[in-house]
Amino acid sequence: AQSVAQPEDQVNVAEGNPLTVKCTYSVSGNPYLFWYVQYPNRGLQFLLKYITGDNLVKGSYGFEAEFNKSQTSFHLKKPSALVSDSALYFCAVRDPNMDSNYQLIWGAGTKLIIKP
Amino acid sequence: KAGVTQTPRYLIKTRGQQVTLSCSPISGHRSVSWYQQTPGQGLQFLFEYFSETQRNKGNFPGRFSGRQFSNSRSEMNVSTLELGDSALYLCASSSRSGSSYNEQFFGPGTRLTVL
Repeated sequence: AQSVAQPEDQVNVAEGNPLTVKCTYSVSGNPYLFWYVQYPNRGLQFLLKYITGDNLVKGSYGFEAEFNKSQTSFHLKKPSALVSDSALYFCAVRDPNMDSNYQLIWGAGTKLIIKP
Repeated sequence: KAGVTQTPRYLIKTRGQQVTLSCSPISGHRSVSWYQQTPGQGLQFLFEYFSETQRNKGNFPGRFSGRQFSNSRSEMNVSTLELGDSALYLCASSSRSGSSYNEQFFGPGTRLTVL
């Protein structure tokens, strides 16, 4: 069965330190991968996506993610965390042959807390 | 470009009542999807509409229904509300359906509380 795992419910990082939010997946073929962020009392905002090409993808707010096919991972990273990065982060995966959002698989979300 | 708007932002209803939520997508976007977000279940897909046609429906009872109008605005309706329907309902639009690489643009959500 196709699935997405965000193994950490919560990640705590000190401001200024690098951060990583993990995402692993189980999808056949070469998946499309997405990261979204949700700030308190807000909807989700698109951060970045991997479709094809360079395994390192750069997105909004200084975030980047690396697609690792052998480890079936798409971890979200930022070199220097800001307190304003504190939010809920979602990874989502889709089989490219499945074009409906019904078939978009969402992770459970990881709460990122950046401490001053 | 204005973002996705959802109205109302907050609703309080009692069990047995019905509710209608509204979503206006980004101008030019013809694909609208609805999601239910709860702390325990995460993000659950409700429906997807494109050009007034429902493309898919998630695993929700028939009390949950929706529609899309010719201007791409969408509504969802929940009848005979239950306590478990309390959630944040999110609407998302994208520029077209059938493009699996397109990201979605989400509205702020409607927070529904059922008492």
